[in-house]
Amino acid sequence: GAVVSQHPSWVICKSGTSVKIECRSLDFQATTMFWYRQFPKQSLMLMATSNEGSKATYEQGVEKDKFLINHASLTLSTLTVTSAHPEDSSFYICSARPPGTGRNIQYFGAGTRLSVL
Amino acid sequence: SQKIEQNSEALNIQEGKTATLTCNYTNYSPAYLQWYRQDPGRGPVFLLLIRENEKEKRKERLKVTFDTTLKQSLFHITASQPADSATYLCALEDSSASKIIFGSGTRLSIRP
Repeated sequence: GAVVSQHPSWVICKSGTSVKIECRSLDFQATTMFWYRQFPKQSLMLMATSNEGSKATYEQGVEKDKFLINHASLTLSTLTVTSAHPEDSSFYICSARPPGTGRNIQYFGAGTRLSVL
Repeated sequence: SQKIEQNSEALNIQEGKTATLTCNYTNYSPAYLQWYRQDPGRGPVFLLLIRENEKEKRKERLKVTFDTTLKQSLFHITASQPADSATYLCALEDSSASKIIFGSGTRLSIRP
């Protein structure tokens, strides 16, 4: 099956610093990737849709200046949490859909746990 | 408003029994519905997809039904095992926005 790699798996940072999370599709090209946020014992909340070569589409209530998304290539999307604060602590997960017959299925990265002190 | 609801937040059953999880939705007309498994601290893993013209889909010990009249999907795990313990998420595609929306999940625990 398709593989999506996410890095880092865990990051601790001080309040006010920025953190970058990478999402890579290892064996397929993804023109679109998705970024989710998940709080403990809650479901995945879609933050934004990352589009290769164009601006990301953000969900209502998500600050685009706070959560910067860059999809510079067909295999890499990055999410940068700028000026992180403790309330940004969460589990961030990316996903991608391979082209072709599997396009309806999302393949997820392992997630990044962000802790802001 | 659009909603996807998984009726049980948690389900605890005896090993060997059949686990049945429910997913209901309102104000969607999905072409298909998906089920994913998520283990703690991990990303979800795709299990099954069922299309609107399919009543039932099976994969090994898993079975999914899809009733577009009731706007409901049932997810069954037969001969359940402790290793089946996880959170199970149903998901629909919001075709107007080309994105997949997830239900809140059901945390399944299988006790030996």
